[in-house]
Amino acid sequence: NAGVMQNPRHLVRRRGQEARLRCSPMKGHSHVYWYRQLPEEGLKFMVYLQKENIIDESGMPKERFSAEFPKEGPSILRIQQVVRGDSAAYFCASSPIDRGVTEAFFGQGTRLTVV
Amino acid sequence: QKEVEQDPGPLSVPEGAIVSLNCTYSNSAFQYFMWYRQYSRKGPELLMYTYSSGNKEDGRFTAQVDKSSKYISLFIRDSQPSDSATYLCAMRQETSGSRLTFGEGTQLTVNP
Repeated sequence: NAGVMQNPRHLVRRRGQEARLRCSPMKGHSHVYWYRQLPEEGLKFMVYLQKENIIDESGMPKERFSAEFPKEGPSILRIQQVVRGDSAAYFCASSPIDRGVTEAFFGQGTRLTVV
Repeated sequence: QKEVEQDPGPLSVPEGAIVSLNCTYSNSAFQYFMWYRQYSRKGPELLMYTYSSGNKEDGRFTAQVDKSSKYISLFIRDSQPSDSATYLCAMRQETSGSRLTFGEGTQLTVNP
């Protein structure tokens, strides 16, 4: 059973470009959570999604950031017009329907560098 | 003030030592308390979690929660070089099913 798969592992974007981060949850998991880890800071919650639904996006910046988890395919975190401050490690976690984020499994992360 | 405070270290101990890692928090609504281990350039890995107060033991690891002091601890007995990693505490409220609040993490090195 493969773990939570995130790709790409490393992503370099120039300021103003778009970044697309993908997360494939573990088999059988229908809940996905995105967290961001800025340098020298702890992980910060961004968004919680179930298939085709955004449940809690209270941690998402109001502009430029969006997330989706379609019926088929991976969850996508999209950052438009990236700025240097978006450089961070972005982690996705997944959990099955009868467990919460307390027992979620994290992926290896995507490290975004904005140059 | 941060909701969860964790000394970032670094902490360096000899192999075989007992390691004590701690977090304090300010939000009395936190009910679930978790410890994660994160190796360099990897994702966090859940070690154990505790609901409300009390102790929990799993092999060489013991987690303690003191809600009256808003203080949690992770003890590692007989520490090994393979325990060298960053340890993150995290917490959540009963009602916030999706939101974990993390500490900054403590970087631990166990020297052979």
